[in-house]
Amino acid sequence: AQTVTQSQPEMSVQEAETVTLSCTYDTSESDYYLFWYKQPPSRQMILVIRQEAYKQQNATENRFSVNFQKAAKSFSLKISDSQLGDAAMYFCAYGGGGADGLTFGKGTHLIIQP
Amino acid sequence: DTGVSQNPRHKITKRGQNVTFRCDPISEHNRLYWYRQTLGQGPEFLTYFQNEAQLEKSRLLSDRFSAERPKGSFSTLEIQRTEQGDSAMYLCASSPSTNYEQYFGPGTRLTVT
Repeated sequence: AQTVTQSQPEMSVQEAETVTLSCTYDTSESDYYLFWYKQPPSRQMILVIRQEAYKQQNATENRFSVNFQKAAKSFSLKISDSQLGDAAMYFCAYGGGGADGLTFGKGTHLIIQP
Repeated sequence: DTGVSQNPRHKITKRGQNVTFRCDPISEHNRLYWYRQTLGQGPEFLTYFQNEAQLEKSRLLSDRFSAERPKGSFSTLEIQRTEQGDSAMYLCASSPSTNYEQYFGPGTRLTVT
């Protein structure tokens, strides 16, 4: 079974600075997808960024980018120029391996200091 | 595109009662998923539909849980004889294809007293 580990329960960053959230996963599959989701307090889960395992190029969406290291099974999220609206729980998720549901990590609570 | 909607948003019930939640996916999405999220945890997969067919069920989905998607559009999740351990946020998500990209609804928060 696939597992996803987020080793940082909480991270804090000053507004306008850069922060990196860590995620590692375990799988025996070669073809899969990885996602970062954002869940603001009392609000719904929002897809931030996705990465296909077969692509070597790291995904980027505006201020959000990933560092995908397939051999190390690592998938970190970098948020540049942090904004107050980035404050939320961030979940790393794995999709693939014949299981159609996503496997999520426990999340990282990101605090933005003004 | 109105997004994924879920009703009710909150449900308080007494132990032993039955509850039913509804999910309306994004209209062109043929895949629909149910997850459960408890405090301090990430969502856990419960079950998945492709059109009206229920294709996968997690071992978390006990016999007291049943899900349907009768016409391949909206879905319902029923919990019979609720227990306090069923208290959680129940999330629905939909997806248009096999790339696993899923769009989530706001969830139904269940409290069993």
